[in-house]
Amino acid sequence: EVQLQESGPGLVKPSQSLSLTCSVTGYSITSNYWGWIRKFPGNKMEWMGYISYSGSTSYNPSLKSRISITRDTSKNQFFLQLNSVTTEDTATYYCARYYGYTLFDYWGQGVMVTVSS
Amino acid sequence: DIRMTQSPASLSASLGETVNIECLASEDIYSDLAWYQQKPGKSPQLLIYNANSLQNGVPSRFSGSGSGTQYSLKINSLQSEDVATYFCQQYNNYPLTFGSGTKLEIK
Repeated sequence: EVQLQESGPGLVKPSQSLSLTCSVTGYSITSNYWGWIRKFPGNKMEWMGYISYSGSTSYNPSLKSRISITRDTSKNQFFLQLNSVTTEDTATYYCARYYGYTLFDYWGQGVMVTVSS
Repeated sequence: DIRMTQSPASLSASLGETVNIECLASEDIYSDLAWYQQKPGKSPQLLIYNANSLQNGVPSRFSGSGSGTQYSLKINSLQSEDVATYFCQQYNNYPLTFGSGTKLEIK
């Protein structure tokens, strides 16, 4: 069974970087696309970006200057880094496996990240 | 970006009732529309894609319809396990965008 699990600090200070790990079991990240999505307080959801089976990436233009998605295929993990965070980046962050190129069929449980001094 | 306007924000219905949730896209998305269900404390689950195709394993009381800019999710014979937040997602164009969610409760 495909399982994804997010991990990382739950509290980040403003202007610092947010770094999260998505650990995948039951499926290789060298297949499919893998994405990050976040859900803000109040339920608005935002697609952040993806990393493909080949390692190529695509990001939401709203984040393009601050975001980086990378991977470690030996550990079957992929990572999110978001730089220069503000309180507006407070959200629950999800990693997910793509179904095709545009849908998500497996999601992690989500990790809540608060940006606060 | 394509804006997805979802309504209602919350909904309370009785067991056995039929409920409808709507999503309006800011432009034609050519049926590139998915619905997800997120139960409390759980991760989202894909219910419907291509506006009306049921994902494997999803009960047949769920159905989707629509075209152009207007789409809806229908749940027949509401069950207690349907308590969840439902949200739509368009995938006609990147960046992928989502509706704001509908919280469904049982009366």
